Amino acid sequence: KQEVTQIPAALSVPEGENLVLNCSFTDSAIYNLQWFRQDPGKGLTSLLLIQSSQREQTSGRLNASLDKSSGRSTLYIAASQPGDSATYLCAVSGQGGKLIFGQGTELSVKP
Amino acid sequence: GAGVSQTPSNKVTEKGKYVELRCDPISGHTALYWYRQSLGQGPEFLIYFQGTGAADDSGLPNDRFFAVRPEGSVSTLKIQRTERGDSAVYLCASSQLAARYNEQFFGPGTRLTVL
Repeated sequence: KQEVTQIPAALSVPEGENLVLNCSFTDSAIYNLQWFRQDPGKGLTSLLLIQSSQREQTSGRLNASLDKSSGRSTLYIAASQPGDSATYLCAVSGQGGKLIFGQGTELSVKP
Repeated sequence: GAGVSQTPSNKVTEKGKYVELRCDPISGHTALYWYRQSLGQGPEFLIYFQGTGAADDSGLPNDRFFAVRPEGSVSTLKIQRTERGDSAVYLCASSQLAARYNEQFFGPGTRLTVL
């Protein structure tokens, strides 16, 4: 059974700092990995999707990497801003495309 | 429409009542997914549809939960004899195909509270 873990559960950083969020999964037979952002009381916003054959994806200040063999992904956020404060979720795609999520990392960027 | 929409945004009901939650996927998306998110947790898969049929309902917790998608577009999640433990945010997502590489887009969710 696939399990997804995110570390740390919560993170507080000063504005401008670069940071890394971690995601690990137990079964390397995934189809893709998606990173999402969730603001309090809101739905999920897709940030990046990495296909199983890819190593990384970039969008603006965000960079996500995937190492399937070791069951790990990282989300790198450069020059963090207070507006980046949210919960970040990673999810792996299994058969049929259903997503299996981690518990999330709650990020707080202080001005 | 421009995105996935869900109604109602909030639903408060009493224990034992029946509720229906609605999801309108992005136009043209053939795959539709339901997830449930409890406070402080990541979403958990419930069921997904490819077209009109439920391709995988392995995440439904018990037979009080049922979902339909009769015309391959709008879906309704139905919960009978609600219990306090059913309180959660119910999220719907759609994608162009139920294929492994396709990105899922989520609606804002329905917050269900069972008193």
